[in-house]
Amino acid sequence: GDSVTQMEGPVTLSEEAFLTINCTYTATGYPSLFWYVQYPGEGLQLLLKATKADDKGSNKGFEATYRKETTSFHLEKGSVQVSDSAVYFCALSKAGNMLTFGGGTRLMVKP
Amino acid sequence: DARVTQTPRDKVTEMGQEVTMRCQPILGHNTVFWYRQTMKQGLELLAYFRNRAPLDDSGMPKDRFSAEMPDATLATLKIQPSEPRDSAVYFCASGSGQGDSGELFFGEGSRLTVL
Repeated sequence: GDSVTQMEGPVTLSEEAFLTINCTYTATGYPSLFWYVQYPGEGLQLLLKATKADDKGSNKGFEATYRKETTSFHLEKGSVQVSDSAVYFCALSKAGNMLTFGGGTRLMVKP
Repeated sequence: DARVTQTPRDKVTEMGQEVTMRCQPILGHNTVFWYRQTMKQGLELLAYFRNRAPLDDSGMPKDRFSAEMPDATLATLKIQPSEPRDSAVYFCASGSGQGDSGELFFGEGSRLTVL
């Protein structure tokens, strides 16, 4: 079946550091790929998405490129802020809204 | 500002009691999901509805859990009887079900503690 694997956390960074959270997937066909973010005490919210190979999703300074050859969708940000501290979930979807989530990666940014 | 509304936000109950969690999806959305989140298991899909019909509840313990959509504006998740291992945050999410957009809108969750 389809699956998503992302790096285990927590990831601890200092403010203004560069962020990479790795995500790889296994799926037949051509899934859409997503990053969701969960801030403390809240539900998940969509951060960015890409629907086909070589697409780049971006939002709030975060970026991820859909790499079909490596089945990856790594999340990056050039300069993290304390307010980026949250749990980040990579996910894929092939039909309608049926999402398969990775296990989540907690990011902690220190001032 | 359209959003998914869940009640209660917090619930503390004793083992053996019935618990009902409610969700109001975003108006016009035709897919509804129930997820459970724990530190140990992460996010688990419990149930999935499309146009109010249950499509997938394979992740739900059938002996004590039940999920329904009495109408398009209400989804319920019931646990009877509740057990301490049911303690978790339960999220409802809805989506438009259009193509492969895949965007789900999550509620703020219902935190359940079973003593």
